Amino acid sequence: GAGVSQSPSNKVTEKGKDVELRCDPISGHTALYWYRQSLGQGLEFLIYFQGNSAPDKSGLPSDRFSAERTGGSVSTLTIQRTQQEDSAVYLCASSLDLGTGDQYFGPGTRLLVL
Amino acid sequence: AQSVTQLGSHVSVSEGALVLLRCNYSSSVPPYLFWYVQYPNQGLQLLLKYTTGATLVKGINGFEAEFKKSETSFHLTKPSAHMSDAAEYFCAVSLGGRRALTFGSGTRLQVQP
Repeated sequence: GAGVSQSPSNKVTEKGKDVELRCDPISGHTALYWYRQSLGQGLEFLIYFQGNSAPDKSGLPSDRFSAERTGGSVSTLTIQRTQQEDSAVYLCASSLDLGTGDQYFGPGTRLLVL
Repeated sequence: AQSVTQLGSHVSVSEGALVLLRCNYSSSVPPYLFWYVQYPNQGLQLLLKYTTGATLVKGINGFEAEFKKSETSFHLTKPSAHMSDAAEYFCAVSLGGRRALTFGSGTRLQVQP
């Protein structure tokens, strides 16, 4: 079946612009995670959505970052007023949320802020 | 809180040799432990995981790992390396099955012909 998909695959933007990154989870997966992978910080958790519960936003690095998940499926990560340090690969993962911990990752969006 | 330490950012082995990638963790509660592999320009793929029960877990592509509570370790091994194993490997820990992952810094495995 189809895996987690993310778009765009690459995004180049200018400092100060807003960007939106999209994640389509595996159908039926109720849990969705965003992570960031950068040279300086490695792989970091950003935000976690589980069903209809309030999201766990504890990993968001600043209030310029926000995310939403509409209809329990597609998620959008928004970065406002981008900075050069936001350059990274943004990875999305989904899971069935059965308590087994298995997370399935998308290919990522590579963001470059000039 | 939890953390993961992967010893060795780069490991090089010859084709057919033993692969050993080291991972140590710290966790305030019994951890869930994972190994993921990342091929160039791709997302992460789950290799294997430990949640409870048998401490030796087998994964895909001939990899296995052993959970050693006394050593707080979860090292990844493969008896015989193949060229296709060249990739970056990440060890991760979570505090349960419905929690985010905390990743180690990764180990890049090179396989020499």
